[in-house]
Amino acid sequence: AQTVTQSQPEMSVQEAETVTLSCTYDTSENNYYLFWYKQPPSRQMILVIRQEAYKQQNATENRFSVNFQKAAKSFSLKISDSQLGDTAMYFCAFMTIGFGNEKLTFGTGTRLTIIP
Amino acid sequence: DGGITQSPKYLFRKEGQNVTLSCEQNLNHDAMYWYRQDPGQGLRLIYYSQIVNDFQKGDIAEGYSVSREKKESFPLTVTSAQKNPTAFYLCASSPFGTGANTEAFFGQGTRLTVV
Repeated sequence: AQTVTQSQPEMSVQEAETVTLSCTYDTSENNYYLFWYKQPPSRQMILVIRQEAYKQQNATENRFSVNFQKAAKSFSLKISDSQLGDTAMYFCAFMTIGFGNEKLTFGTGTRLTIIP
Repeated sequence: DGGITQSPKYLFRKEGQNVTLSCEQNLNHDAMYWYRQDPGQGLRLIYYSQIVNDFQKGDIAEGYSVSREKKESFPLTVTSAQKNPTAFYLCASSPFGTGANTEAFFGQGTRLTVV
């Protein structure tokens, strides 16, 4: 069974600073995707960034980047130059792939607050 | 516009009643999922389906049932056997297989309250 662990229930950081959210996962699969989703107060889930397990290069999307350590099963999210609009719940997620084996599992989330 | 639609947004249920939450997508996605969200517990998987007329139990399937008669639709029934159904429910869909654009798309959720 796949599990996703987020060990930081809450974090806060000053506006414009950098913050890193941690995520570890456990799987016996070799082919999968990892995601970070953001859930603002509206509760709409928004994809922040995606990483394919077979790619060694870390994914980046503007101010968001990941540190993907496949051997350690670690997938942290770094937010640079944090903005007030980054305040939200952040969920790490793991997706197995392959017909008949598609399953999307989430961690418990990290509540991030950006302080003005 | 392509997307995933959940209805209703708010739902109230009397104890002992079954209720059905609707989830429809026009993204031509094969896989669909139902999650329950409680404070401090993240998203927990209830059921998921990868193909029409087939679905699998997730981590907390007891007290819930689903059907997948059409590719576009994946309704969730919360039965009277679910002891604590008050929660926020999210439906999602995703395409199969590999690809740079693989991701799950979410509806806006249904808030279910037992009164």
